[in-house]
Amino acid sequence: DTAVSQTPKYLVTQMGNDKSIKCEQNLGHDTMYWYKQDSKKFLKIMFSYNNKELIINETVPNRFSPKSPDKAHLNLHINSLELGDSAVYFCASSPRPGTFNSGANVLTFGAGSRLTVL
Amino acid sequence: DQQVKQNSPSLSVQEGRISILNCDYTNSMFDYFLWYKKYPAEGPTFLISISSIKDKNEDGRFTVFLNKSAKHLSLHIVPSQPGDSAVYFCAARKTGANNLFFGTGTRLTVIP
Repeated sequence: DTAVSQTPKYLVTQMGNDKSIKCEQNLGHDTMYWYKQDSKKFLKIMFSYNNKELIINETVPNRFSPKSPDKAHLNLHINSLELGDSAVYFCASSPRPGTFNSGANVLTFGAGSRLTVL
Repeated sequence: DQQVKQNSPSLSVQEGRISILNCDYTNSMFDYFLWYKKYPAEGPTFLISISSIKDKNEDGRFTVFLNKSAKHLSLHIVPSQPGDSAVYFCAARKTGANNLFFGTGTRLTVIP
């Protein structure tokens, strides 16, 4: 049973379209994250929610809007897709904000969603 | 501004030998360092971590060394096995922050 699951795994779409990526975790964690890995392989935080409340919002275009209907789900909606949005998007969760040290407190990632904008 | 750097994009090692992966950081506010391992088409998985108050942490074949004065950490894998072939990411947490800063990864290939 997958701990952090993302759908879809692959997404190919045209510029200007709107798309969503969904994420669910069954670990009982309070905190969820979206990370983006670009073509240069940087893995960078975009957003974080703790118990449905936004706690991290990095410098990300307004076209990106996260939504957390409950603490087990964090979805990412992207409007007016651009070529530069092509990347792998990773969802992750942790028991609480900032608890990444070891054992059960690690940041757990999903398998990633590869978005290609044509 | 890349605060965590892995300057070697790839490393090849013979099975049974030692693999040494390096990581440098610039921010002296980092208080925790982690290594993640990533196989193709999977998400990164936690491997080992070290607090900034320590200089070594060992877990089986994996040892992480921290040199705070040099702002440098390394991951040693001994002995290396073909199943260790993966991309290894170094990551760091800033004191009081709620996220991790990642390096760009080093692809380790262990040759049988």
